[in-house]
Amino acid sequence: AQKITQTQPGMFVQEKEAVTLDCTYDTSDPSYGLFWYKQPSSGEMIFLIYQGSYDQQNATEGRYSLNFQKARKSANLVISASQLGDSAMYFCAMREGGNFNKFYFGSGTKLNVKP
Amino acid sequence: GAVVSQHPSRVICKSGTSVKIECRSLDFQATTMFWYRQFPKQSLMLMATSNEGSKATYEQGVEKDKFLINHASLTLSTLTVTSAHPEDSSFYICSAPVPPYNEQFFGPGTRLTVL
Repeated sequence: AQKITQTQPGMFVQEKEAVTLDCTYDTSDPSYGLFWYKQPSSGEMIFLIYQGSYDQQNATEGRYSLNFQKARKSANLVISASQLGDSAMYFCAMREGGNFNKFYFGSGTKLNVKP
Repeated sequence: GAVVSQHPSRVICKSGTSVKIECRSLDFQATTMFWYRQFPKQSLMLMATSNEGSKATYEQGVEKDKFLINHASLTLSTLTVTSAHPEDSSFYICSAPVPPYNEQFFGPGTRLTVL
C-alpha cells in the first residue's frame, strides 16, 4: 500500500484565495511525522510545515496550516491568501518512528495560482 | 538556518564516464544524509541512506555498485555514478535531517545529463 497519497495531480486557485492540498497517509507506527515541501521550477525542495503524530494542535506557519485529522489519517495543507509565487509542486511526506528514518513522499500536487 | 549544498549543480558527461556529486551540510553536522533521484514531473525516489562511519543503506532495486556512496565526514557525503549511461540522466538531490523536528533540508540538486 502507498504510504503517502496525494490525489490531486493539479490544482488551480485564484490569487488571494485559500486552497487546500490533500494528503492521506498509511502507517501502523504510533510515532510519525508529517511534512509538506514546496518545489518550484528551480528544483529546490523547500520545507514548509511539520506535524508530529502526538501534537494536539494543528501546525501553522505563516500562511500555511496543516489540517491534521488523525482518525482519518489525513494531513491536508491549507494555503491562505494565495500568491503568484505559490505556484509550484507540493509534496507531502511522512517519517515513521525514529528521527533519522527515511521519508516517504507522495506523488505531488502541481498548484497554479491565477492572477 | 540549516543549509545543505550540492556540487555541481549541473553536469553533462559522456556515456561510460563516472560522475561524483558532493552533498555538504554547511552549518550543522549530519550523521545521516539521504540521496534521491527525481525524473521530470515525478516524485522523489529514495536511492540510499548515507551513514557517517558505516556503509550506506540502499533501497530495493538500486545498484550499489552503480551508485557509490561515501559519507566521508560529518558534513560531507558523495554519490558517484559509475559508468554513467543515458538512462542515468536525472535530477539527483540530497538531504539531511535537522533538529528539532528532523525535517529534511534539501540541497539544491544536481542535474545530470549523460550523452
